[in-house]
Amino acid sequence: GQNIDQPTEMTATEGAIVQINCTYQTSGFNGLFWYQQHAGEAPTFLSYNVLDGLEEKGRFSSFLSRSKGYSYLLLKELQMKDSASYLCAVMDSNYQLIWGAGTKLIIKP
Amino acid sequence: IAGITQAPTSQILAAGRRMTLRCTQDMRHNAMYWYRQDLGLGLRLIHYSNTAGTTGKGEVPDGYSVSRANTDDFPLTLASAVPSQTSVYFCASSDSGRANTGELFFGEGSRLTVL
Repeated sequence: GQNIDQPTEMTATEGAIVQINCTYQTSGFNGLFWYQQHAGEAPTFLSYNVLDGLEEKGRFSSFLSRSKGYSYLLLKELQMKDSASYLCAVMDSNYQLIWGAGTKLIIKP
Repeated sequence: IAGITQAPTSQILAAGRRMTLRCTQDMRHNAMYWYRQDLGLGLRLIHYSNTAGTTGKGEVPDGYSVSRANTDDFPLTLASAVPSQTSVYFCASSDSGRANTGELFFGEGSRLTVL
């Protein structure tokens, strides 16, 4: 079966750096995506990786290793507003998105 | 520009009742989707539509139906609600030209409780 694994919850300190990992086993691969979802709100798109390597976008970076079935989202200079759930999703060979359960990130002052 | 609008935002209904969740987008996106989100589980696709006039089944279609009469509207109907359909429902859309980038635009969600 298809599976996306990510930690359920993480805690970090304001101003610090945090890395959220995602491992996947899917039928084919057509890209990996990260979404941010604040409590009670809709998910919003953060990043897309289809080739190995690091994609940087401001304070957020996303890394992909297709051979390892692994990705991480790196958040730098954490702010209180970064407290949210971060969803990892993989597009399989049928171009369907398979979603992880999400990682709830708690930022402490 | 509103993006995607869902209604109602919240609803409590009795088991066995029929319920339609409405979804309207003004971005002229070809593809639209209905997901449900439950605690501890990833978003699960219920039904989708790649273009007006066509629909397809997702991962968890049983008990749900959809229609796509035009580009903008994609209602989700529960013919006879059951308590296991208690969930938060998200409608989403994507520009088919960018579908492979996976960028979905989500509505604000409809919280449904079936008693």
